[in-house]
Amino acid sequence: GIQVEQSPPDLILQEGANSTLRCNFSDSVNNLQWFHQNPWGQLINLFYIPSGTKQNGRLSATTVATERYSLLYISSSQTTDSGVYFCAVVDTGTASKLTFGTGTRLQVTL
Amino acid sequence: DTEVTQTPKHLVMGMTNKKSLKCEQHMGHRAMYWYKQKAKKPPELMFVYSYEKLSINESVPSRFSPECPNSSLLNLHLHALQPEDSALYLCASRGQGAYNSPLHFGNGTRLTVT
Repeated sequence: GIQVEQSPPDLILQEGANSTLRCNFSDSVNNLQWFHQNPWGQLINLFYIPSGTKQNGRLSATTVATERYSLLYISSSQTTDSGVYFCAVVDTGTASKLTFGTGTRLQVTL
Repeated sequence: DTEVTQTPKHLVMGMTNKKSLKCEQHMGHRAMYWYKQKAKKPPELMFVYSYEKLSINESVPSRFSPECPNSSLLNLHLHALQPEDSALYLCASRGQGAYNSPLHFGNGTRLTVT
């Protein structure tokens, strides 16, 4: 099956700093989503971005499908950004199955 | 996302108990999913229903039994579970157009098996 690797695995930032999270995938994809899982376990949709660039407030994402990677940018980080960030993909061979990446655990400190 | 509702939020059950997890969505989505998430791990797919028919079973043990009684409801029946089945169980749904639309997740049921 498709492999989805995220980097870095752990990240500690001071409030106000910027960061870039990376998602690499091993095969062609039809669907890519970025999620934020908060400390209570809620999975929050950030972006649906199989290709191109999107922005939502302090967050933006870019997917280069031909090169099999996606980036999530967090600017001016806040303590509420803490949690785990997952990318998840549907590869072209499976149609329905969303496979999650390994995750990046982010801690934003004061 | 709060358009997918899961109940209960927390469940503690013994290894001989029978219980059910419930998931409901009213977005008209025709694909519904169960995922299992252990601590500090990503969610792993268990089952997919498409148009109320089971389309994917990721070799899940038979002590987990899914049911899709209608297009809005998805249940997961639990029987004779083991302590290692303790996890966060997440339900999700997706609209028509299958792979080219996003999944929407519920808030999960945190299950503890004693």
